Amino acid sequence: GEDVEQSLFLSVREGDSSVINCTYTDSSSTYLYWYKQEPGAGLQLLTYIFSNMDMKQDQRLTVLLNKKDKHLSLRIADTQTGDSAIYFCAEMSGGSYIPTFGRGTSLIVHP
Amino acid sequence: NAGVTQTPKFQVLKTGQSMTLQCAQDMNHEYMSWYRQDPGMGLRLIHYSVGAGITDQGEVPNGYNVSRSTTEDFPLRLLSAAPSQTSVYFCASSYTQGAGELFFGEGSRLTVL
Repeated sequence: GEDVEQSLFLSVREGDSSVINCTYTDSSSTYLYWYKQEPGAGLQLLTYIFSNMDMKQDQRLTVLLNKKDKHLSLRIADTQTGDSAIYFCAEMSGGSYIPTFGRGTSLIVHP
Repeated sequence: NAGVTQTPKFQVLKTGQSMTLQCAQDMNHEYMSWYRQDPGMGLRLIHYSVGAGITDQGEVPNGYNVSRSTTEDFPLRLLSAAPSQTSVYFCASSYTQGAGELFFGEGSRLTVL
C-alpha cells in the first residue's frame, strides 16, 4: 500500500530552526498535512498544503512540497521548548477521506 | 462545541474482559474513525465509518467491533481483551468533503493485564 516515511527523532537547540522531513509514495496525493501531538494529548492539525502548491507559510511555520520527489518538509523558525512534541506527516488522495500517516517525528528542544 | 469526546481516559482490564470505549462528536462530521497508537508504530487505523449505519475495517480490526447508530457516536468494543490490545486509543472525525481535517479526541489509555 501507500506509505509515508519520516525520521523518528530530531533534537535542536532553542532558538534554532527545526526541519522535519517526510516522503510519501502516493502520486495521487492531493492534500498533505502536518499534525502536532503534545504529551498526553490527541493530534491537532498544524497546517496542510494542496498538491498544486510548493510552499505555504504561516507565522513561524513553512511547509515546502517537492511533488516530483514526493518530499514534504516542515520548518519551524525560532524553535521554542513549547514546540517539543511529536509531528506527524500525512497525505490523502482527492476523493478519499482516509489519510495515511507517517510514524511521527519526536522533536526535542533543549536549552 | 466540545469537539471529539472520548471516555474513559484510563482503563485497566484483565485478559478476557470486555469493555467499550465511547466516542462522541458534536460537529456533524460524517467520517469517524478509531486509531491505536503504540511506541514506534505511529497511528494504525482500526475501524472507520462514513455515516450512520456504515462501518468498515481499517488496518488492524481484529479483536474490535464498532457500530454507528447515530451521526454523533462511534463506540469501540473489545469483546475479549488481550495484552496485545494494551495501547492508547484515539477517536477522530472529519467531514468527507474538502481538505478533510481530522479532529482527534484526547485519547484513552488502556492496559490489559
